[in-house]
This record gives sequence, structure tokens and C-alpha cells, in this order.
Amino acid sequence: AQKVTQAQTEISVVEKEDVTLDCVYETRDTTYYLFWYKQPPSGELVFLIRRNSFDEQNEISGRYSWNFQKSTSSFNFTITASQVVDSAVYFCALSEVYNFNKFYFGSGTKLNVKP
Amino acid sequence: EPEVTQTPSHQVTQMGQEVILRCVPISNHLYFYWYRQILGQKVEFLVSFYNNEISEKSEIFDDQFSVERPDGSNFTLKIRSTKLEDSAMYFCASRTGQQVTKTNTEAFFGQGTRLTVV
Repeated sequence: AQKVTQAQTEISVVEKEDVTLDCVYETRDTTYYLFWYKQPPSGELVFLIRRNSFDEQNEISGRYSWNFQKSTSSFNFTITASQVVDSAVYFCALSEVYNFNKFYFGSGTKLNVKP
Repeated sequence: EPEVTQTPSHQVTQMGQEVILRCVPISNHLYFYWYRQILGQKVEFLVSFYNNEISEKSEIFDDQFSVERPDGSNFTLKIRSTKLEDSAMYFCASRTGQQVTKTNTEAFFGQGTRLTVV
């Protein structure tokens, strides 16, 4: 069965600190997609990144970076030099490739960035 | 940039009343979804819809729920007789219907409708 685990319920950091949000997934599929979404206090889900299971290259986008390790079934998300505006709930999600159906979301990690 | 639009943003209803949550998916998308997020909890799949029929539904999606795409642009979720535990944020999402590609596989989510049942 598909499952996404975000063990960190809540993390608090001081502005400018680096922070890593963990995501571990389970799937029987050999091909799948992994995602990160941000949910700010206003409630909407904001797409951050998609990663294909074939592509284990790490990705950097500005202050954001993602580390995909297929061997450990992890897809961790690092924010460098965090800012107060990064405060949000972050969800990791898994989606099948050949079945255009549902996402499996983790329970989310609430990030508090204090000034 | 195209986006999924949901209305209303917030709906308050009395227990036992029917509610309809509305969504306008992105125009060339073919797969549509409803997800639910009870306050402070994870986002949960409710139902997926393709080719004018339900393709999959979760155990949450019981007989009180129904979905419809009445006019080719709107995608609605109806809750027939609301219960207190239906209070949640409801997200609509859509996806392109292309076969496996590297670019068009993420679901685009609407901003959500917060449903409060009193």
C-alpha cells in the first residue's frame, strides 16, 4: 500500500537558520511521483516540486532544495536561511504514474520561523 | 496562469442541510478530484472523476456525497445531509489527461472551501 510518513509534527526555528523537513514513503510501484506542497495560514495548497522516481538528482530552487534517496525511500526538503514567510504546513505526497488517480499525503509538518 | 477556482471560500451550514461546493477546473484537464482536510489533519482523498463518471472513491465518500460535472466546466461536490464531522476544508483538484509525461503530472489544487457545519 502507498503511504507517506512525515514524522516531524512541528518544527520551530529562528530566522536565517536552515531547516530540513523529512519525508519517508512506501510504495509497491517502481514508478511514481513525489511532491511537496506548502499550505500557508490562508489554507490553500501551493505546489512546490514534483520528482519522478527515475530521477534521483537533487534539485535546488533558490533557498529550497530537495534530496531524493530511493535507497532509503526518502524525499527530504531543506530550506536554507529560513524566513518568517516560510512559516506554513508542508505536505509531502506520493502519486502513482500509471494511474491518474489519487495523491497520498503525509500528515504534514508545521514549520514556525521566528524573527 | 490557469488555476482551479472554488466557490464559496467559506460556507456555514446547519446540520442536516444540503450543501454544494463548486469548482471550476483548468479548462483542458480531464481528471478531477475532491480532497478533504479536517482542521489540523492530513489531506484525504475523497473521489476522482474521469469521463463523466467516478473512477475511484474512498470509504469517506459514502451515500451522503455525490459529484457532478453538469455543464462541462463546473465540477461540484454535494453533501446531502451535513453532519458536524463534515466540517473541513474541501479541495478540488484537476490534472491533465495526457499519458505519462514528465511535465503534466501534478494536480493543481483550488484554494479550498472551508465548510463549517453548526
